[in-house]
Amino acid sequence: LAKTTQPISMDSYEGQEVNITCSHNNIATNDYITWYQQFPSQGPRFIIQGYKTKVTNEVASLFIPADRKSSTLSLPRVSLSDTAVYYCLVGSDTGRRALTFGSGTRLQVQP
Amino acid sequence: DSGVTQTPKHLITATGQRVTLRCSPRSGDLSVYWYQQSLDQGLQFLIQYYNGEERAKGNILERFSAQQFPDLHSELNLSSLELGDSALYFCASSPRTGVETQYFGPGTRLLVL
Repeated sequence: LAKTTQPISMDSYEGQEVNITCSHNNIATNDYITWYQQFPSQGPRFIIQGYKTKVTNEVASLFIPADRKSSTLSLPRVSLSDTAVYYCLVGSDTGRRALTFGSGTRLQVQP
Repeated sequence: DSGVTQTPKHLITATGQRVTLRCSPRSGDLSVYWYQQSLDQGLQFLIQYYNGEERAKGNILERFSAQQFPDLHSELNLSSLELGDSALYFCASSPRTGVETQYFGPGTRLLVL
């Protein structure tokens, strides 16, 4: 299973764009990249998933370079309610290995 | 609301005891996942069931066991409880398995005294 590395924490201000990068040097050909958001005492919530290039939905964008060894979650114009922990997961449905959550990135948005 | 329900919401018990946590997946989802999250820690994957059978195993202690029933609900049994077992236990479900979106329940907060 591909190991992921994310910054432990990040700080931002309301209205700014936040980019959180995840490194996954040993990503496999079949692996997808998935991001989840977790608020305190709540279960994680799916944000976005991608395989290559760029994926955009109503809340975020996911940028994946050609070598796929890293990915960047981009949150446009963050608000205080975006303060949460963000997890990057890498994996596929090959075999019997479940996706694992790492330590995540704790994003603190200030007014 | 994710559609995943977990009971009970809170549980307080003593060391050495045994408890059962229950999870009902979203309608139609065949996979159930169990996670443990200690205070200010990341999510630790425990075990996954798919359509009644164990699919993947993570860092689940031998004192812990789980099963998924024919109606697809799942139970996580924790026995010989220790203080360090105090944590939030989350259940998640997905339609099948693999890289699909996992929908998480509200969690069960276990406190072992």
